[in-house]
Parts: sequence; structure tokens; C-alpha cells
Amino acid sequence: GIQVEQSPPDLILQEGANSTLRCNFSDSVNNLQWFHQNPWGQLINLFYIPSGTKQNGRLSATTVATERYSLLYISSSQTTDSGVYFCAVLESGGYQKVTFGTGTKLQVIP
Amino acid sequence: DAGVTQSPTHLIKTRGQQVTLRCSPKSGHDTVSWYQQALGQGPQFIFQYYEEEERQRGNFPDRFSGHQFPNYSSELNVNALLLGDSALYLCATQPGPNTGELFFGEGSRLTVL
Repeated sequence: GIQVEQSPPDLILQEGANSTLRCNFSDSVNNLQWFHQNPWGQLINLFYIPSGTKQNGRLSATTVATERYSLLYISSSQTTDSGVYFCAVLESGGYQKVTFGTGTKLQVIP
Repeated sequence: DAGVTQSPTHLIKTRGQQVTLRCSPKSGHDTVSWYQQALGQGPQFIFQYYEEEERQRGNFPDRFSGHQFPNYSSELNVNALLLGDSALYLCATQPGPNTGELFFGEGSRLTVL
């Protein structure tokens, strides 16, 4: 099956700093999403981005499907950005499952 | 527009018991998937239901079974519970089996004693 790796696994930021999270995948995909999991376990949709670039406030994402990676940018980080960030991909062809990456645990300190 | 709803939110069972978890999809969604998330891990795919049939299955034993109803809602059943089944169980829905954005419910946190 498809392999999805995220880096870095852990990240500590000072409030106000910027960061880039990376997601690499091993095969072609139909869909790619970024999620933020809050401390209560809720997976919050950030971006649905199989290709191209999107922005939503302080967050933006870019997926280069031909090179099999996606990037999530967080600017001017806030303590509420803390949590775990997952990318999730849907493999191409037939009935396919969504595979989650290994996650990046972000802690933003005041 | 109601999102994905799951019940119960928390439950405690003992080894050997059986549990049923429920999921109602987001409006307009007909495909339901279930995931298990152990502490400190990413969600692991259990299975996907579309048109009331299991379409895809992850690496989970037959103790894990499911059902989808004509109104697209779904149940996850786990028999003969083990301590290792303690986890957050997440339901996700989408507007088709191979398309569209995935939306998750808040999860059902199962503790097996």
C-alpha cells in the first residue's frame, strides 16, 4: 500500500513564528487533505488539496502531485495552533482507502 | 447543515464484551468509513461502506464488523473485546466512495478494562 510520511515529527515554536510541515507520499493519489487534531481528538479539516496552492488566513498549503509531496505553511503561529497535524491521501483507482501520515506534533509556546 | 455525528462519545467495557458504535453522515454524503486511533498514533482505516456494502477493509480481524443502513448511517461492531481495542473510533463520511472531501465526527472513545 501507499506510504505517507510527515516531517518533522515534533516541532516547538515560539508564538509568532512561522513553520513548514511536509508530507511525502509514495504513489499517485486522487485526493490529499490536511487535518488539525485538537487535544480532544476532533479532526478539523484544514485543506482539501489534491494539487495546487490554497490559502486560508494564516495557513496555506501546496501540493505538487507529480513530485508526490505537499506542504502546509503556518504563519504567525498562535498557541491555539498547538496539536497534531495529519495529511491524509486517497490512492488512485477503484475503491481505495484513505491513508494517514505519521503526523507532526506542534507545540506553540507563549 | 449537521455534520458527522457519532454516539456514544465515551464508553467503558470489559474484556470479552461486545460494543456497537453509531455514525450519521453529513448531509449529502453516502459513503462512510471507520478508523481506529490508538493513543499517540494516527488513525488506521478499518473499513468503508457504500451502497450498504463493505467496499474496502484494512488490516483488522473479523471481530470488527459493520453495517450501513438505507439512510446511509452506519454501525461499527466489535466482538470479544480485548484490552488493545481501547482507542478513539472515528467515523468519516464523503459524497462518494472515491471522491470528495472527507469529514470526521468527534469520535467515540472506548476503554476496555
